[in-house]
Amino acid sequence: EADIYQTPRYLVIGTGKKITLECSQTMGHDKMYWYQQDPGMELHLIHYSYGVNSTEKGDLSSESTVSRIRTEHFPLTLESARPSHTSQYLCAALKGQGGYTFGSGTRLTVV
Amino acid sequence: QKEVEQNSGPLSVPEGAIASLNCTYSDRGSQSFFWYRQYSGKSPELIMFIYSNGDKEDGRFTAQLNKASQYVSLLIRDSQPSDSATYLCAVYNPHSGGGADGLTFGKGTHLIIQP
Repeated sequence: EADIYQTPRYLVIGTGKKITLECSQTMGHDKMYWYQQDPGMELHLIHYSYGVNSTEKGDLSSESTVSRIRTEHFPLTLESARPSHTSQYLCAALKGQGGYTFGSGTRLTVV
Repeated sequence: QKEVEQNSGPLSVPEGAIASLNCTYSDRGSQSFFWYRQYSGKSPELIMFIYSNGDKEDGRFTAQLNKASQYVSLLIRDSQPSDSATYLCAVYNPHSGGGADGLTFGKGTHLIIQP
């Protein structure tokens, strides 16, 4: 049973386009996170939220932005996609005591 | 700077043997310890967590924690080819500030189980 839902699963888009990666959850988790991960590489935290109207930048500088208008949704937006944004984006929620649940991820390719 | 160190591997283990994955951490205030499994191209999946010193067993998996030595390990008994994946160690300190709510990930160990 998946708690975290991410769409789309795969996305190929042209340079300069605006994109929004969706992340939603049905369990009422307050704390949510966005990670970026290149193939075979480590996870990098790019954004997190502790609840509605709370958003913070993570450890890795990112040109993306996030919003948290409702507890259930934590979308990530790139205003102008570039090839350097090609990566996998993972959304996660904290289930308590530090245990994360991850979504299936969005694999983004910018051409 | 909180650090979680893992040998990146690859760690190659024959099928049926015990795979031993190790992790050290620098934050003495850490209270919870997690092992995630990540298959290539997939998202991490939580497989074990441990809070207290000693061993915790779940099926073929055993997590071991030694807070004095700041060391946590994962043993996989009767290794199967399906266990081939990257294993991420994560350490949680609820009282630390900064991003990720106090959770710090290691870079992961790539495990290969050879048939």
